[in-house]
Amino acid sequence: DAGVIQSPRHEVTEMGQEVTLRCKPISGHDYLFWYRQTMMRGLELLIYFNNNVPIDDSGMPEDRFSAKMPNASFSTLKIQPSEPRDSAVYFCASSLSGARGGYTFGSGTRLTVV
Amino acid sequence: AQSVTQLDSQVPVFEEAPVELRCNYSSSVSVYLFWYVQYPNQGLQLLLKYLSGSTLVESINGFEAEFNKSQTSFHLRKPSVHISDTAEYFCAVSEHSSASKIIFGSGTRLSIRP
Repeated sequence: DAGVIQSPRHEVTEMGQEVTLRCKPISGHDYLFWYRQTMMRGLELLIYFNNNVPIDDSGMPEDRFSAKMPNASFSTLKIQPSEPRDSAVYFCASSLSGARGGYTFGSGTRLTVV
Repeated sequence: AQSVTQLDSQVPVFEEAPVELRCNYSSSVSVYLFWYVQYPNQGLQLLLKYLSGSTLVESINGFEAEFNKSQTSFHLRKPSVHISDTAEYFCAVSEHSSASKIIFGSGTRLSIRP
């Protein structure tokens, strides 16, 4: 298996633009997580899905952020409009049956909003 | 609510010296505990985990961690470090009652000096 695949690896965008981050989880995994990593705040859980259904989105910063999982092999995290404070590394992770088996992380998308 | 405290943001050690990275957690219920490692420009990788049973758990590359319920700690140790161990290490916790969501500590940067 190729692991969790995220795209793009790097994204530079102007303030106010829409940004879409993409994630392909490991085949067969039933949980998908979106995390954000910054120097100031560390790793923050934004949202997670189980069997394509959002379970907990309490970490989503505000209405500018939205996430979807239309099928078991694809998820998106969208920021509209983007702001400089959204600059961070965004990680997608997937797991089989929750936390017990551990998460497999993607390589992340480094987002810079200028 | 669960939380994780990593007491040291940076730990410098000499090659072949022993190291301990400290981690304390807070939770009112039973937990699963994890250590993840992040190498530069990569996602996090599971290093080891405690689910139940023996309180001492080991990784394949010589790290070990011991679950201490009375002290609510899960410190990571290695008797002799190598340059290749240079990375950031994250302690993490997941409550049995919400065994999907993992909360990460702020990370400890381990730097190895030759």
